[in-house]
Amino acid sequence: ETGVTQSPTHLIKTRGQQVTLRCSSQSGHNTVSWYQQALGQGPQFIFQYYREEENGRGNFPPRFSGLQFPNYSSELNVNALELDDSALYLCASSLVFTGELFFGEGSRLTVL
Amino acid sequence: DQQVKQNSPSLSVQEGRISILNCDYTNSMFDYFLWYKKYPAEGPTFLISISSIKDKNEDGRFTVFLNKSAKHLSLHIVPSQPGDSAVYFCAASGDNFNKFYFGSGTKLNVKP
Repeated sequence: ETGVTQSPTHLIKTRGQQVTLRCSSQSGHNTVSWYQQALGQGPQFIFQYYREEENGRGNFPPRFSGLQFPNYSSELNVNALELDDSALYLCASSLVFTGELFFGEGSRLTVL
Repeated sequence: DQQVKQNSPSLSVQEGRISILNCDYTNSMFDYFLWYKKYPAEGPTFLISISSIKDKNEDGRFTVFLNKSAKHLSLHIVPSQPGDSAVYFCAASGDNFNKFYFGSGTKLNVKP
C-alpha cells in the first residue's frame, strides 16, 4: 500500500511568484484535502476535492486553487505569493464521507 | 475564528504515568472528533477518533473522552512511553467530513 506522497519537500519563492505543489493519494482513496500549517499553529483547511470537483473550501482567497486528476492525485496552486504564505502545506487523502485523513509529509514553502 | 482550541502548548510527563491532553471546541454542530500525532519532519498520523453519539472510545493505551455539554474532549495515554513524545492535534468535523478544524497542538514530552 503506497502512502500519500508530496513534492517538492522544500522550495523557496519570492513575493509575487506562483507555486504548484503536488500530491499523490494513498492507494484506494478518492478524496484529497489540502491544509496550510503556519509555524506554531495547527493545520488550517484550504479545500477538499472529490471526483475532480471542489467539495469544500476554507477561508482562503481565490489565488489558492486546486485540481484533482482522474487518478485522484492533486495539485495546489498559489498565485501572487505573499510573505504570509510561508508555511508547511499538507496534503491528506481519504475515502469520501469517512473521518480518517492520511497525511503526506508536507511541502515547506518559504516566500522571501 | 478558532473553533478548536488546545490551550496547553506543552506537557511534560514521567514515563509510566498518565498523560492527559485537553481540547475545547465552540461549534455544537461538530459530529466527529479525532486526535493526530505528529513527529518532526513527518505528516500527522491518525491516533483515535470518537463520534458525538459516544462519550468514550478506547484503543490500547489511548482513550478519548467527549463531554458534549462542556464542548470538551480529552486524550488519555496510560502508561506514557518516551516514544509518545510528539505534538498532538485534536480535530473536529461535521457529519459530511469535508472540512476538519484543527487545534494548535500540544507538545508532549515523556521523560524516561
